Amino acid sequence: DAGVTQSPTHLIKTRGQQVTLRCSPKSGHDTVSWYQQALGQGPQFIFQYYEEEERQRGNFPDRFSGHQFPNYSSELNVNALLLGDSALYLCASSPEWSGGTDTQYFGPGTRLTVL
Amino acid sequence: AQSVTQLGSHVSVSEGALVLLRCNYSSSVPPYLFWYVQYPNQGLQLLLKYTSAATLVKGINGFEAEFKKSETSFHLTKPSAHMSDAAEYFCAVSEANSGYSTLTFGKGTMLLVSP
Repeated sequence: DAGVTQSPTHLIKTRGQQVTLRCSPKSGHDTVSWYQQALGQGPQFIFQYYEEEERQRGNFPDRFSGHQFPNYSSELNVNALLLGDSALYLCASSPEWSGGTDTQYFGPGTRLTVL
Repeated sequence: AQSVTQLGSHVSVSEGALVLLRCNYSSSVPPYLFWYVQYPNQGLQLLLKYTSAATLVKGINGFEAEFKKSETSFHLTKPSAHMSDAAEYFCAVSEANSGYSTLTFGKGTMLLVSP
């Protein structure tokens, strides 16, 4: 059983550019969440997708947007990149909601460097 | 909003010694609590989770954690450290809402194990 997969592994962009990161959830999972992990910090919640809709959003600007496809895979888009967007971007998938106890399974992440 | 505080950004132990990583949470409702481990250049792997079934939770790789409501703590322990335990450890709380939940992470504790 393949776990959560993310692509690409690494990415280098320059300020002002746009980037798209991709995620395929674990088999049987319909919910995808995205997190940003800056160097030396814990992951911070960006947003969560369920049934192709953004269900919850963290404290991130509108430059961060996403999409979920009918096969539950997801994309994270970041526009007008800033140096501060350099981070490890983690995708997590989870099964149908079970009252908050559901486990989120994380992918290996995409390391984004903005120069 | 719920929050998590991890005391000590770095903890050093000798191989065979007791591991104790501290986590305190803030929550206005009964929380669900998680410990994740992150090895270098990898995503997060679930160690264990508290879902109110039992206050002492056993996880993978010999780790366990005890939920203490009176102390608002969920400290992670392992009786005897192995070199392979060297990694970063994150405590997280689940913010359960009506139909979805997201994770709020602490800043992490790096565990260093010396021979």
